[in-house]
Amino acid sequence: GNSVTQMEGPVTLSEEAFLTINCTYTATGYPSLFWYVQYPGEGLQLLLKATKADDKGSNKGFEATYRKETTSFHLEKGSVQVSDSAVYFCALRVDYGGATNKLIFGTGTLLAVQP
Amino acid sequence: EPEVTQTPSHQVTQMGQEVILRCVPISNHLYFYWYRQILGQKVEFLVSFYNNEISEKSEIFDDQFSVERPDGSNFTLKIRSTKLEDSAMYFCASSVLTVYEQYFGPGTRLTVT
Repeated sequence: GNSVTQMEGPVTLSEEAFLTINCTYTATGYPSLFWYVQYPGEGLQLLLKATKADDKGSNKGFEATYRKETTSFHLEKGSVQVSDSAVYFCALRVDYGGATNKLIFGTGTLLAVQP
Repeated sequence: EPEVTQTPSHQVTQMGQEVILRCVPISNHLYFYWYRQILGQKVEFLVSFYNNEISEKSEIFDDQFSVERPDGSNFTLKIRSTKLEDSAMYFCASSVLTVYEQYFGPGTRLTVT
């Protein structure tokens, strides 16, 4: 079946530290991969995505590379800010022709950045 | 920027009562979804809806659940007889097409006592 596993949190970092949040997946077929972010009191927002192997998604200084050989999509940022404090969700979507293409999520990782 | 809205933000209900969670998807979107997240667990897909029909539903979405688009703007999730285990955050989402980004609302926290 299709599933996503991401590292448990919380992750606590100092401002300007390097961030990695690990995400691995199991999928039948060729999934698209996503990172969503949820700031306090808000909905899930798409942070970045990659739709095929070796694609790199990037946004707001965050990056993730679709690694088919290791079935991974780790989220990285070179220098985190206090404003990056949020819950980060890794997700996949297997794009069947004509089907719903629901998202399958990991458990979420809480990131807390201290000044 | 258009956004998905959900009401109420928090609903408390007694076991066995009916609840209706409301969502207003983005106006030109065609696909609508409900997801839920039980505290400390994964965000789980419940149901998708297109052209006034359910497109897909998960095992969680049993006969106690129903969805409806009663007018041109609202999308609702009804739970007929709530159980304690229905306590969760419920997220509504919408997308233009299935292969496009899903936009999520802020969620409704349902507490069943």
